[in-house]
Amino acid sequence: QLQLQESGPGLVKPSETLSLTCTVSGGSISSSSYYWGWIRQPPGKGLEWIGSIYYSGSTYYNPSLKSRVTISVDTSKNQFSLKLSSVTAADTAVYYCARHSHSIFGVVTYTYFDYWGQGTLVTVSS
Amino acid sequence: SSELTQDPAVSVALGQTVRITCQGDSLRSYYASWYQQKPGQAPVLVIYGKNNRPSGIPDRFSGSSSGNTASLTITGAQAEDEADYYCNSRDSSGNIWVFGTGTKVTVL
Repeated sequence: QLQLQESGPGLVKPSETLSLTCTVSGGSISSSSYYWGWIRQPPGKGLEWIGSIYYSGSTYYNPSLKSRVTISVDTSKNQFSLKLSSVTAADTAVYYCARHSHSIFGVVTYTYFDYWGQGTLVTVSS
Repeated sequence: SSELTQDPAVSVALGQTVRITCQGDSLRSYYASWYQQKPGQAPVLVIYGKNNRPSGIPDRFSGSSSGNTASLTITGAQAEDEADYYCNSRDSSGNIWVFGTGTKVTVL
C-alpha cells in the first residue's frame, strides 16, 4: 500500500523559507503516469493546489505562487520537496503531499490525487 | 486561471439522494475528480474521470458531467457521508489544477 509522509518544521518566521519533504513508501516515485503534488489548506478554508513534479524533474506550479515556489525530487531517497520563500501569515496552512495520477483511457487522460499524506500544519509567526 | 464554483452547503435526509455540483469553464474540456474530507483528516478521492470509483469507495457515490458542470451524487446517503466535498480539475490551459470552493454536506 502506497504511503506518503510529510516532514518539516511546524513553525516558520515571516519572510523566511518554508521547507517540507514528502517521503514515499510502498512504491517508486519514478513510476510512469504519476506526478507528485503539494496541496495546502489554511485553517477553516478550502484546498489549494501548489504544484506538481514528475520524477524527471518536470514541474507545474500554481501561477499565484509560482514566483515563490520550488518543488524538487530526489529519486534516490524516494522523496520530493517543497520550498516556499518569503512566507507571511497567509501561508499558514496544513500542507499535504499527494500522488498526482495521470491515467490514459482511450484518447482521454484522467488526472486525480489518489494517495495523500496525513498533512502537516505549518504556522508562520515570529 | 479558471475557477470551480460549488454550493457552500447542502443537506440531505438519511437514506435520500443528494447531488453536489461544480461549475467552471474548464469542465467543458476536462473531467473533474471529487474528494471527501472529514474534520481533521486528509481528503479522500471518491470519484475520478467519467465515473470511476477507487477501490473501497461505496457504489452509492457516482459522478457525471454535462457542459460546464460536474456532479457528484450520493444515492442513499449515510451518516458517515457527512463531510466537506471538493471537486478538482485542470484549468483550461491544461497544466494548472484548481480545486472547487467546497460543499459541506449535512446528513439529517
